Amino acid sequence: QSVLTQPASVSGSPGQSITISCTGTSNDIGDYDYVSWYRHHPGKGPKVIIYEVSHRPAGVSLRFSGSKSGNTASLTISGLQAEDEGDYFCASFTTRNNRYVFGTGSRVTVL
Amino acid sequence: QVQLQQSGPGLVRPSQTLSLTCSVSGASISSTVDFWGWFRQPPGKALEYVGYIHSSGNTNYSPSLESRVTISIDTSKNEFSLRLTSVTAADSAMYFCVKSRADGYSLPDSWGQGTLVTVSS
Repeated sequence: QSVLTQPASVSGSPGQSITISCTGTSNDIGDYDYVSWYRHHPGKGPKVIIYEVSHRPAGVSLRFSGSKSGNTASLTISGLQAEDEGDYFCASFTTRNNRYVFGTGSRVTVL
Repeated sequence: QVQLQQSGPGLVRPSQTLSLTCSVSGASISSTVDFWGWFRQPPGKALEYVGYIHSSGNTNYSPSLESRVTISIDTSKNEFSLRLTSVTAADSAMYFCVKSRADGYSLPDSWGQGTLVTVSS
């Protein structure tokens, strides 16, 4: 099963900016702008924080931003806050056999 | 705000049928601009697509599950359901119901809370 590669953990101090990378291939991130980022709270369903590479749903903080370069998408959290601690994963449409491919997940820690 | 509430058993016997239901509030399942579907995440593995249904009744399933999966819709109850037949231990996973925009590319924008299903005798 194909997956998108993310760093297992990313950390930063309050107020700093951090960036989580998500590396795929030309079958997914490289050729399509259907990349989403989710935050997953334990016991709850994932919540979308970025869709179509860089779009924020209503209600999501302006501190979250998304971008893409080549086969890699990125999520940047600016002005890091304690409440940002948690698990984040990326996802993309893919032309490979199962329609969508998901990231391995990253744990964000606020030092 | 769209809310998806899942229900169904957490334990299924091998060779039996897994059945889950997702009740929708804050949106109409009769919407022509949305897909309603299921994803799953086996322990220690990445999420994977199971399938989608549109209010028209059109479905799309993962090629690896297509022979065993059925997703149905009940507009009178504003809910949709998943059936997976002949389950094995490999079907043990956290199952999520989702809503997506019906354009063929978009990822889910709303998720249910998840149901941990274990296949065991």
